[in-house]
Amino acid sequence: DTGVSQDPRHKITKRGQNVTFRCDPISEHNRLYWYRQTLGQGPEFLTYFQNEAQLEKSRLLSDRFSAERPKGSFSTLEIQRTEQGDSAMYLCATETGAQGNTIYFGEGSWLTVV
Amino acid sequence: GIQVEQSPPDLILQEGANSTLRCNFSDSVNNLQWFHQNPWGQLINLFYIPSGTKQNGRLSATTVATERYSLLYISSSQTTDSGVYFCAVDNNDMRFGAGTRLTVKP
Repeated sequence: DTGVSQDPRHKITKRGQNVTFRCDPISEHNRLYWYRQTLGQGPEFLTYFQNEAQLEKSRLLSDRFSAERPKGSFSTLEIQRTEQGDSAMYLCATETGAQGNTIYFGEGSWLTVV
Repeated sequence: GIQVEQSPPDLILQEGANSTLRCNFSDSVNNLQWFHQNPWGQLINLFYIPSGTKQNGRLSATTVATERYSLLYISSSQTTDSGVYFCAVDNNDMRFGAGTRLTVKP
């Protein structure tokens, strides 16, 4: 257990439905990242937050994807109108943001769109 | 954007063998980290190593920043070392390579 919690761990949804994933970071970690990982590939960067500010969102896969971190603590990643190609593991990672700091990943949320 | 290439893509070892995994990157970076992903998907940071050499038990890593590569050494491998090893580099965002899948057989 790294201290980064993700919920739900697994989600099966029908195409066209909306899904939301939650990430609870380690309490003193200011930076929070979302990644997507498909089978056989490395994690793919989606977006990140410094406290409540979303500093990079151009790499979100489409306008169906959005992320929030309203109080600089937990974060949510929402996918609207899911498609089968959205099936993947969605990973959250956090760090303090200091130089040389270790990044900690959650266990991931597996999404299957049927 | 920066490219990260890892080799070999797959590696099968007998328990007790040593191995070297390589990560090449296309531009100078502020940060380089090695991760291990276990068969259940959990990613664990092994090393933060933008330059120089570090050791942690049976694992060690070396990054030669001027030549844009990093190496991860695993000595006396154990079955629990199995999984995927990722190199990730960071300028403004952390980019991962495709990984090396290691299988250690008893």
